[in-house]
Amino acid sequence: GAVVSQHPSWVICKSGTSVKIECRSLDFQATTMFWYRQFPKQSLMLMATSNEGSKATYEQGVEKDKFLINHASLTLSTLTVTSAHPEDSSFYICSASDRPYEQYFGPGTRLTVT
Amino acid sequence: DAKTTQPTSMDCAEGRAANLPCNHSTISGNEYVYWYRQIHSQGPQYIIHGLKNNETNEMASLIITEDRKSSTLILPHATLRDTAVYYCIVRVATSNDYKLSFGAGTTVTVRA
Repeated sequence: GAVVSQHPSWVICKSGTSVKIECRSLDFQATTMFWYRQFPKQSLMLMATSNEGSKATYEQGVEKDKFLINHASLTLSTLTVTSAHPEDSSFYICSASDRPYEQYFGPGTRLTVT
Repeated sequence: DAKTTQPTSMDCAEGRAANLPCNHSTISGNEYVYWYRQIHSQGPQYIIHGLKNNETNEMASLIITEDRKSSTLILPHATLRDTAVYYCIVRVATSNDYKLSFGAGTTVTVRA
């Protein structure tokens, strides 16, 4: 149980275009979903927290107009990187939770912006 | 949340126990100790968590000192597939706080 999927697993896009990443909880309803970013040889950095049906809460320094998060249902959250640039190339990981002490992570999406 | 300190890296031999230390000297009474690991290019995987009692599950054991200022994650029989970055995280597990803050972790390399 407690499986989280992400799609796509990797994506290459051209600078200036937008990319959407999906995060799904497959066998449970996630009241809260999180989005992290991880650069090479660095730790995970929390970008934002989203609760179903409400606006996401972004961490300090994360541009909410650039990283659009939609948590439309209890099993789906999406992250859209708008007007992507090479510096946005990173490993994006989502996680989902239905209770405070458990958080399940997706396999990650590697974004490369050329 | 309390800050944690872990060694940057450690090696261990396949088949032997791996003992991963974590210091959390400023931990509060209502903060839990969590361990996650991240195998290369994958999402983190939950291992175990505890408050003050020692805990054991199918993956590992968690030993927390009596004063709760440090803990040790024990992988009883390390395999090559246990090579990963291990994160020790201290956090309050309340109904309104779901966040996890990842530090640098310990890079564990299991050698044949």
